Amino acid sequence: NAGVTQTPKFQVLKTGQSMTLQCAQDMNHNSMYWYRQDPGMGLRLIYYSASEGTTDKGEVPNGYNVSRLNKREFSLRLESAAPSQTSVYFCASSRFQETQYFGPGTRLLVL
Amino acid sequence: ILNVEQSPQSLHVQEGDSTNFTCSFPSSNFYALHWYRWETAKSPEALFVVTLNGDEKKKGRISATLNTKEGYSYLYIKGSQPEDSATYLCAFNSGGGADGLTFGKGTHLIIQP
Repeated sequence: NAGVTQTPKFQVLKTGQSMTLQCAQDMNHNSMYWYRQDPGMGLRLIYYSASEGTTDKGEVPNGYNVSRLNKREFSLRLESAAPSQTSVYFCASSRFQETQYFGPGTRLLVL
Repeated sequence: ILNVEQSPQSLHVQEGDSTNFTCSFPSSNFYALHWYRWETAKSPEALFVVTLNGDEKKKGRISATLNTKEGYSYLYIKGSQPEDSATYLCAFNSGGGADGLTFGKGTHLIIQP
């Protein structure tokens, strides 16, 4: 089992460009999450999907959109990237309300 | 937004010494408390889930205790080794919604040889 996979690993964008971060899990988990990690801020929840077909905002959703494509895949889209979105992005999955398993992260730099 | 606090923010410990650090969380609406280990340039890795007041979970030299009435959990590391150097995150689950866990900012542990 690969667990949780994320692509790309690194990305550099110019302000205003768009991109989609991909996440997939093969553990048959219902719930999936997107976090961002910034120095001194810990992990902050951007969006989550409790089950296939549902998505909800987390603590810091502004500037992002998500799609739960199917049970396995949960993507995060930046429509118009801003320097404030420079961060490390982690995807995670879990059974409902249980331990979360994290992907390796995507390092994003917005110039 | 739930308040999950971890202290200290960072900690330097001599190899071979034992250490502990704290996670504080809301004492109401408790469902579970998770501990994660996060090494630099890697992703957080689950250590423990503690759910019962007074419970202790153990994994080798690392253990976690829980006090749900006063809203805290301790993580203990016995006989610290250089490979224990990492950031340790706790995460609170109130069980009230589908948004999963609220993470603390972590305790950054450095073991000095």
